[in-house]
Amino acid sequence: QKEVEQDPGPLSVPEGAIVSLNCTYSNSAFQYFMWYRQYSRKGPELLMYTYSSGNKEDGRFTAQVDKSSKYISLFIRDSQPSDSATYLCAMISGGSNYKLTFGKGTLLTVNP
Amino acid sequence: DSGVTQTPKHLITATGQRVTLRCSPRSGDLSVYWYQQSLDQGLQFLIHYYNGEERAKGNILERFSAQQFPDLHSELNLSSLELGDSALYFCASSVASLNTEAFFGQGTRLTVV
Repeated sequence: QKEVEQDPGPLSVPEGAIVSLNCTYSNSAFQYFMWYRQYSRKGPELLMYTYSSGNKEDGRFTAQVDKSSKYISLFIRDSQPSDSATYLCAMISGGSNYKLTFGKGTLLTVNP
Repeated sequence: DSGVTQTPKHLITATGQRVTLRCSPRSGDLSVYWYQQSLDQGLQFLIHYYNGEERAKGNILERFSAQQFPDLHSELNLSSLELGDSALYFCASSVASLNTEAFFGQGTRLTVV
């Protein structure tokens, strides 16, 4: 079983829709949770970082962490065509090895 | 622009050859990380350097090596290249050793023919 599982999609939604992106993980040592956005032929760009269970909001983006279920989500409200990209979840475990473990990414297309 | 510079952007080379990928981190960042991204494996962590010292190793092959120099730039050396080494190689940097806010470069696309 992979440490981080992410539905690769693709996911296609109309402009203005609410998008829900999800990852599950198996390693209970993961303590830090990130979402990255990657446009085609570009490097990943950090969107949000959370540490504790619960919700964190930044503009149209909300990151949600449920450590008891080992489940994280990213919600995008009022989605825009410019949100079309691959979204990657990433996690870091505690301790001294700060290895960033990524999901495989979900390809999102927002249609005008 | 993330502030992380990777060169070259594209590289085409033959099997068995050796190449060097270069990364300049953001000003002030002490940590450099290398990742390999392929279609089937996704983003895989290779190695992490902090202020010139190796901190962690991931799924890095023995044919691959890296170093971080006193000016904090880093190089990833790939030798005895195989077709399966074709991938995007990303460098990321962060201020601290804990990379919750890492900034990625644009990547080097390596094609082995």
